[in-house]
Order: sequence, then structure tokens, then C-alpha cells
Amino acid sequence: GQNIDQPTEMTATEGAIVQINCTYQTSGFNGLFWYQQHAGEAPTFLSYNVLDGLEEKGRFSSFLSRSKGYSYLLLKELQMKDSASYLCAAHQAGTALIFGKGTTLSVSS
Amino acid sequence: DADVTQTPRNRITKTGKRIMLECSQTKGHDRMYWYRQDPGLGLRLIYYSFDVKDINKGEISDGYSVSRQAQAKFSLSLESAIPNQTALYFCATSDRGTSGTLANEQFFGPGTRLTVL
Repeated sequence: GQNIDQPTEMTATEGAIVQINCTYQTSGFNGLFWYQQHAGEAPTFLSYNVLDGLEEKGRFSSFLSRSKGYSYLLLKELQMKDSASYLCAAHQAGTALIFGKGTTLSVSS
Repeated sequence: DADVTQTPRNRITKTGKRIMLECSQTKGHDRMYWYRQDPGLGLRLIYYSFDVKDINKGEISDGYSVSRQAQAKFSLSLESAIPNQTALYFCATSDRGTSGTLANEQFFGPGTRLTVL
């Protein structure tokens, strides 16, 4: 079977660092995507990991451990505009992306 | 202009009506997908198509059908709409990427908010 788990909600304050975890179980795993989605809008691409390790892109970084079926998205220097849902998605070979239920992040001042 | 477009953007209909949601893309991608999103349930895959002659069921295909009329167009139909099909529907596209590459990134349309009364 396939399963992707991530926390439902998280809160943080401006300027802080937050880590959103994702665990997955999928056959034919071919990479892990993170998307950002603001309320009522389409998901937009944030990061992609296929090999173990950390990928850094500005204030956002993503980590993958294939042996542990684990990923996290790290957001630094949080801003109010970072309040959104963050979707973890596993790419299963030969099919579409399989999404977790999303983590809603609320950033307060 | 948007690369992935969906029509209509909003639709209210009644139980039992036939509804078609349309998706068009100018990205030149081979692969297209339909998802629905419900509060607390994330994005769930309905159908996907890897080329014009290829149609595959996703996680929740019951009550839905699709048509891939051309590389650029992928339509989703609800033959007889029911209230629990009220949701936000997204179309997405991706390139024919080598496994394990960023080419598998999916690009999403703006969504269609469907309400079935």
C-alpha cells in the first residue's frame, strides 16, 4: 500500500524556524516533492528530493532519507506570507504524485 | 497567459445533473491529471493520462469519467452529480520525465469549485 503522513497543523511566529515532517510508505519510490498552497489557490512547487540529503533554496530547505521513508521541509526567517498549507507528495514510478493531507502553517506576529 | 486553465472556475448544480469540467494546457506536456481536494483530506487522484490513448484510474474514480480529446485537453465528467462530490477540483500536467527527475513535477491549474445541491 501507500501512505503519507504529515502533521495537520503547526503554528509559529515571524522570524522563527519551523520544520514540517513527512513520512511515507510507497512502492516504486522515485522522489519526494513539497508544494505550498494558499487558501483557495493552486499548489505551487517548492522543492524536490530524490537522493538522500539536504536541498537548500533560499529560506526553504528540504531533506530526504530514503532508508527511513522520511522527509522534512525547513522554513527559516518566517514571514506572515508563509501562512499556507504545505503538501508532501511522493512520486511513485509509472503513476502520479501521491499527496499527504497537508500541514496548515499559521504564522503570527 | 496561464499555462494550465480550467473551466468553469465555479459551478453550482443539482443532484443528478451531468457536469463536465474542462482542462487545457499550453505547456506541451504529455501527462495530465485530475485531483479533488476536500478539507482535511488533501489532494486525491481521480484519473490520469500519460498520452492521448492512455487513461488510468486513480484512488477515487467511482462516479467520474474522463476524456483525453487531444494532448492539450483533458475533461472530467460527473455523469450524475451527488452532494458528496462537492469539492475543489484541480487539473495538473507534467512532462514525460525520466523517473527520479524533476521532470515529474506537476503544474496545477487554478481549480474549479463545484457545489452539488
